[in-house]
Amino acid sequence: GAVVSQHPSWVICKSGTSVKIECRSLDFQATTMFWYRQFPKQSLMLMATSNEGSKATYEQGVEKDKFLINHASLTLSTLTVTSAHPEDSSFYICSAERGSGDEQFFGPGTRLTVL
Amino acid sequence: GENVEQHPSTLSVQEGDSAVIKCTYSDSASNYFPWYKQELGKRPQLIIDIRSNVGEKKDQRIAVTLNKTAKHFSLHITETQPEDSAVYFCAAALTGNQFYFGTGTSLTVIP
Repeated sequence: GAVVSQHPSWVICKSGTSVKIECRSLDFQATTMFWYRQFPKQSLMLMATSNEGSKATYEQGVEKDKFLINHASLTLSTLTVTSAHPEDSSFYICSAERGSGDEQFFGPGTRLTVL
Repeated sequence: GENVEQHPSTLSVQEGDSAVIKCTYSDSASNYFPWYKQELGKRPQLIIDIRSNVGEKKDQRIAVTLNKTAKHFSLHITETQPEDSAVYFCAAALTGNQFYFGTGTSLTVIP
């Protein structure tokens, strides 16, 4: 199959701290990974497209200095929420594209709660 | 960019009845249309997809139809079961590019 994992699954942090979320493709190489944010009972909002070895492409309205993305290898992309505030509390989901196919495989998501 | 609209936002059906969810898209270049099922707190799971060179696709109780001229596509679930209850998202994409998701439909199947 095509398995994508995320770590941590849930994190609670104090306001002002930074949180790193990892997204890994376990059994395939992913040149492209995507980061989404999902508020309760709402749709997935694309935050950025992460390409291995290059800078991420951010969607309009997403602060690149706030949400740092690193895609250092073909199996790992990280999202760092810097100086987190309560309004950053959300469900963050990554997905990975296998080869040049259409399908994206989603990670299980990370629930971030900022106190 | 692409804009995907999805209706209805909530849908309740009796067990055994059919459920239909509709989506429209704006970018005629989009050529891939997946449907995802998401249970509370879990990852979206692909349930069926269709490409622009096909008008209909069926997988057991689930079918998807695509009308490229009208730029709309629909998900059909027949003989619904309580375990079909979840939030369903449609998406539109151009091959190799990002997905644009619909706003979701919360489906409740009443036993």
